[in-house]
Amino acid sequence: ILNVEQSPQSLHVQEGDSTNFTCSFPSSNFYALHWYRWETAKSPEALFVMTLNGDEKKKGRISATLNTKEGYSYLYIKGSQPEDSATYLCAFFNQAGTALIFGKGTTLSVSS
Amino acid sequence: DSGVTQTPKHLITATGQRVTLRCSPRSGDLSVYWYQQSLDQGLQFLIQYYNGEERAKGNILERFSAQQFPDLHSELNLSSLELGDSALYFCASSRSSEKVNEQFFGPGTRLTVL
Repeated sequence: ILNVEQSPQSLHVQEGDSTNFTCSFPSSNFYALHWYRWETAKSPEALFVMTLNGDEKKKGRISATLNTKEGYSYLYIKGSQPEDSATYLCAFFNQAGTALIFGKGTTLSVSS
Repeated sequence: DSGVTQTPKHLITATGQRVTLRCSPRSGDLSVYWYQQSLDQGLQFLIQYYNGEERAKGNILERFSAQQFPDLHSELNLSSLELGDSALYFCASSRSSEKVNEQFFGPGTRLTVL
């Protein structure tokens, strides 16, 4: 059974704190990993698509790294702001295209 | 606004009934994905269409079916509805069928089965 695990399940930080969370996925037959940000009452929004081992992507204060050999990706948020409060989802795609699996997400809450 | 539209926004129906959810992808996107999000569950991939053809299938029940029309809009048909089918149904579109293309999600249809 293919599984995508995200940890922690939820996280509460203060404004200005930096934080990171993990997405673990099957390391075999890897094709792509997507990160999405999902704000309450809205739809998921794409952050990054990562395909190569060692990939690092950055968008403003948010960055992500990828390790396909050990099957994990980290998402980092530097200097968290209240508007970063959201659920962050990762999604694993396998080579055959038969598996498209989302994790349950990490819910981040940032207090001012 | 992602450019993906879904109708209706809310749907309340009874067990045993049949409903159709509709999705219009972003202009130029050829691929449409359907997802289900139930209480306490992550997004569950149901099915993908690309340019009118079924491309990949996930955990879609036999009571559910989908199609993509020549104008690229897609419909998800849910029949013999059960209480457990109550969920938020999302459609997403992407430029092609490539797994490296980011997906753009619609606002979702909330289905309540009573």
